[in-house]
Amino acid sequence: AQSVTQLGSHVSVSEGALVLLRCNYSSSVPPYLFWYVQYPNQGLQLLLKYTSAATLVKGINGFEAEFKKSETSFHLTKPSAHMSDAAEYFCAVRNNAGNMLTFGGGTRLMVKP
Amino acid sequence: EPEVTQTPSHQVTQMGQEVILRCVPISNHLYFYWYRQILGQKVEFLVSFYNNEISEKSEIFDDQFSVERPDGSNFTLKIRSTKLEDSAMYFCASSVGGADTQYFGPGTRLTVL
Repeated sequence: AQSVTQLGSHVSVSEGALVLLRCNYSSSVPPYLFWYVQYPNQGLQLLLKYTSAATLVKGINGFEAEFKKSETSFHLTKPSAHMSDAAEYFCAVRNNAGNMLTFGGGTRLMVKP
Repeated sequence: EPEVTQTPSHQVTQMGQEVILRCVPISNHLYFYWYRQILGQKVEFLVSFYNNEISEKSEIFDDQFSVERPDGSNFTLKIRSTKLEDSAMYFCASSVGGADTQYFGPGTRLTVL
């Protein structure tokens, strides 16, 4: 069985500060990992994905994530937060045996001016 | 840019009533999915559908639920006799292939009274 844990249901940063959203996964087989973002009243939008190529993955809006097998982590970072980054972020895992996504609980990012 | 659409955006129903949630996946996609998110909880997989058959389903997807692709564009989720605990946001998603990125719709908020 696979699972995803996102540490911190709420994260608050100042505009211009580093954004770090944590995600740890468990999977019995090599995983595919995803970060989705949800803006208010919108659907889930893919930010980036890891599919066993490069361990450092770059996504949209300046976000990136690094796959660390030894730590079973896939943390999301952005060097400098912007007000428009305020949203809920979901980490998800899929194994190559099926196509269902298993999501973490989500982290709401707040950006202070 | 093509997107997944869902109707209605909000559905209110009485316990025991049948509801049908509608989705229009992206036109060249072949795999379709339903997920749900109960308020304050994780996004959970319900079912995936390919080639007019269910390809995978979760324990949540019991006999009360059914899915259908009634024509070339719509993908529906039916709940036969709604319960209070069915109140949730229901997300439809689609992908080109089973291993490809899933694109999500904006969701339908179902409220069962």
